[in-house]
Amino acid sequence: DVKVTQSSRYLVKRTGEKVFLECVQDMDHENMFWYRQDPGLGLRLIYFSYDVKMKEKGDIPEGYSVSREKKERFSLILESASTNQTSMYLCASSLGPGTQYFGPGTRLTVL
Amino acid sequence: GQNIDQPTEMTATEGAIVQINCTYQTSGFNGLFWYQQHAGEAPTFLSYNVLDGLEEKGRFSSFLSRSKGYSYLLLKELQMKDSASYLCAVRDSNYQLIWGAGTKLIIKP
Repeated sequence: DVKVTQSSRYLVKRTGEKVFLECVQDMDHENMFWYRQDPGLGLRLIYFSYDVKMKEKGDIPEGYSVSREKKERFSLILESASTNQTSMYLCASSLGPGTQYFGPGTRLTVL
Repeated sequence: GQNIDQPTEMTATEGAIVQINCTYQTSGFNGLFWYQQHAGEAPTFLSYNVLDGLEEKGRFSSFLSRSKGYSYLLLKELQMKDSASYLCAVRDSNYQLIWGAGTKLIIKP
């Protein structure tokens, strides 16, 4: 069974703080993704990675950065959190272009 | 632009059948996925269609018509645990997933 874990289920931060969201997968998948999910909107892709140290911008990369130093770990960084980044953040991984498997999500609130 | 349309919310009765529709307009097509997402949880994979026709998997079936840009998810013998959001996603010509906003399915006893 594919397992994708995320460092926190719930997180509360203040405006201007630097925020790290961690994602780890245990199935040796090459591809990893970060999405945000907001009510009434589909999942929106922030960044993705096809290999270690490789990253590609998704549809809404502004205000975010990522890091992939090891194949199993993909981190999302909010350099200076803002209230409009309050959202559910979902990490996913896939083997090649195959089915994406999701972590449990991190619900981030920025005050 | 790219667009995926699904109804926002549907209500059905326990034991009945429900069909959730998804229409899409994307730049290219390399498959369509259905995911289930219970409130506060991660999406979980349900089905994948890349060729026209019906794919059956237990109580769930998914249909695709590429010429019409249309898919549906059919849920039979509804159970209370089927109350969830159902997400439709299309893989485009760049192999990126384009997601619909999801359909919230409410099951009543």
